[in-house]
Amino acid sequence: QVQMVASGGGVVQPGGSLTVSCVASGFNFNSYAMHWVRQPPGKGLEWVAFTRYDESKTYYRDSVKGRFTISRDNSKNTLFLHMSSLRAEDTAVYYCTKGQASGSFIIDYWGQGSLVTVSS
Amino acid sequence: DIVMTQSPDSLAVSLGERATINCKSSRSVLSSADNKNYFAWYQQKPGQSPRLLIYWASTRESGVPDRFSGSGSGADFTLTISSLQAEDVAVYYCQQYYNSPLTFGGGTKVEIK
Repeated sequence: QVQMVASGGGVVQPGGSLTVSCVASGFNFNSYAMHWVRQPPGKGLEWVAFTRYDESKTYYRDSVKGRFTISRDNSKNTLFLHMSSLRAEDTAVYYCTKGQASGSFIIDYWGQGSLVTVSS
Repeated sequence: DIVMTQSPDSLAVSLGERATINCKSSRSVLSSADNKNYFAWYQQKPGQSPRLLIYWASTRESGVPDRFSGSGSGADFTLTISSLQAEDVAVYYCQQYYNSPLTFGGGTKVEIK
């Protein structure tokens, strides 16, 4: 079955950097678009970033552009989100999610999430 | 950005009764190119990751019980749970995927009365 296991979350100081990773299994990772979606504690869902199956197109929400980078290693079935210049408002559970097709914006599976806390 | 507005924020429904959640988008998410509504519903149970219920506004994801149905077009959409079960207690989110940034509604919490 489809599984996505995220790791790399933790506590980081404002202005710091962190990379969260997600290892996927149960599907042909190199054929599907992937997204990161975050959820601040006790709040709603917020889409963060998207990559097509081959990284030919990536998109970001405005508040993270220039600070976050989505990437993938298709040989290792792994998705990354490199985050820099972190702010308190970036504190959230970060979900690795799968697109329905190679360039699809439809999110059909969600991983378990990794908590990132930005605090001094 | 397309703003998604859900109502109500919460509702309590008796077991076996109907639950209805509404969602309005700040602009139409109906594509003239393919006549599809780029709209989805997700369910998030307490302590769990979200789950896709409905996409293209009315297509049920595989494995989703048929008591869940989606309707609407353009900028007004509805999720209906025809006969609420105990396992349906959750927060429900609408989402548009018409364009980037993808945006979600604020969520509707469904509880048992």
